[in-house]
Formats: sequence, structure tokens, C-alpha cells
Amino acid sequence: GENVEQHPSTLSVQEGDSAVIKCTYSDSASNYFPWYKQELGKRPQLIIDIRSNVGEKKDQRIAVTLNKTAKHFSLHITETQPEDSAVYFCAAEDSGTYKYIFGTGTRLKVLA
Amino acid sequence: KAGVTQTPRYLIKTRGQQVTLSCSPISGHRSVSWYQQTPGQGLQFLFEYFSETQRNKGNFPGRFSGRQFSNSRSEMNVSTLELGDSALYLCASSLVATSGYEQYFGPGTRLTVT
Repeated sequence: GENVEQHPSTLSVQEGDSAVIKCTYSDSASNYFPWYKQELGKRPQLIIDIRSNVGEKKDQRIAVTLNKTAKHFSLHITETQPEDSAVYFCAAEDSGTYKYIFGTGTRLKVLA
Repeated sequence: KAGVTQTPRYLIKTRGQQVTLSCSPISGHRSVSWYQQTPGQGLQFLFEYFSETQRNKGNFPGRFSGRQFSNSRSEMNVSTLELGDSALYLCASSLVATSGYEQYFGPGTRLTVT
């Protein structure tokens, strides 16, 4: 089955700097990779996703890149703001099973 | 459209008891997945239902069970509660029946077992 590793577990950046969170997966047949943001006491919110037929996707300050050969994908946040502080989870679909395997999360702190 | 709702939001139970949690998906969504979230283990997949059928199950003991009704609402049951079952239980619903679909989470039910 799919296994997802996420790094780093915590990340502190100065406001305005960029943040990068990386995930690796094991199932080469996986084809869908969502990212979720979870603020303290709130539900995870889907912020961006990417499918295996695309190498990069951007949405304003957020971008996700996918390297299928190396089986890793990354979340990039530019011009970070204090409201970006949250726990971010990556996930990969266990190919064709409707089952998502989540990474262990990255706690991002944006320092004002 | 109303989002995913879960009831109750908070629950305190005693070891050995059983508990039933409820999840109402977004209108029109037919797939409901359940996750357990703990500080040490992150988000762990429990099971997924589509059209009243369990399509997939995670690596949890048989004490964890679920079902889905014809209106797509889903319930999760945990029997013989253990202290380690204390967690936030999240459900997520999805519209699409095929792989690679977007999931939307409910607010969760925080279960405390004493």
C-alpha cells in the first residue's frame, strides 16, 4: 500500500519569506496529490491539489510541484503572511482505492 | 450549499462503552470517508463508503465499524472504548465516484475516553 513521508515536521519562517514542504510517496501508480491546511481547532481545508499528468500548479501565492520519477511532491508558499501559520498535510491516493494516505503534517509558523 | 456536518462535536465516554458518531455530507456527495486524527499519528484512514457500501477500510480493529444510509449520511461506531481511542474523528465527503477526487472535511467530533 501507499506510504507518505512529509518533511519538515515544523518550519518557522519570517513574514515575507518563502516556505517549502516536501512529501515523498511509495506507490508509483498514485495519481492524485492534495494538500490540506488545518488551522488550530478547525477542520482541514483543501488548498491545492495536483494530478499526475501535471508537473506544476499555481494558485496565487501557493504552488505545488510533482516529480513522478522521484515520487515526490512539494508545496511552495511565497510571500508568507501570519495567517499562513497552520499545520499543512500532504496526501496521496492509494492507487484507485479511494483511500487517501496522509503525511504526518508540517507545523508552519510565520513570524511577524 | 451547506458543508459537511458532524454530530456531536464533543463527547466524553468511559472505557468499555460504545459510541456512535454521525456525518452528513455535502448535498449531492455520495462518498464519505472517516479519519482518526491524533497528535502523534496524524490523519489515519478508517473507511470509505459509497452508495451504502464500504469500498475501503484502513488498518483499524473490528471495534471500529461504520455504515451509510440511502441519503448518504454516515455513522461510525466504536465499541468497547479504550483510552487510546481518544481523538478527533473527521469525516470527509466527495462528489466524484472515481479516483482522484476532492474531499471536503467536516468539523470533527472530539472523543475523550476516560
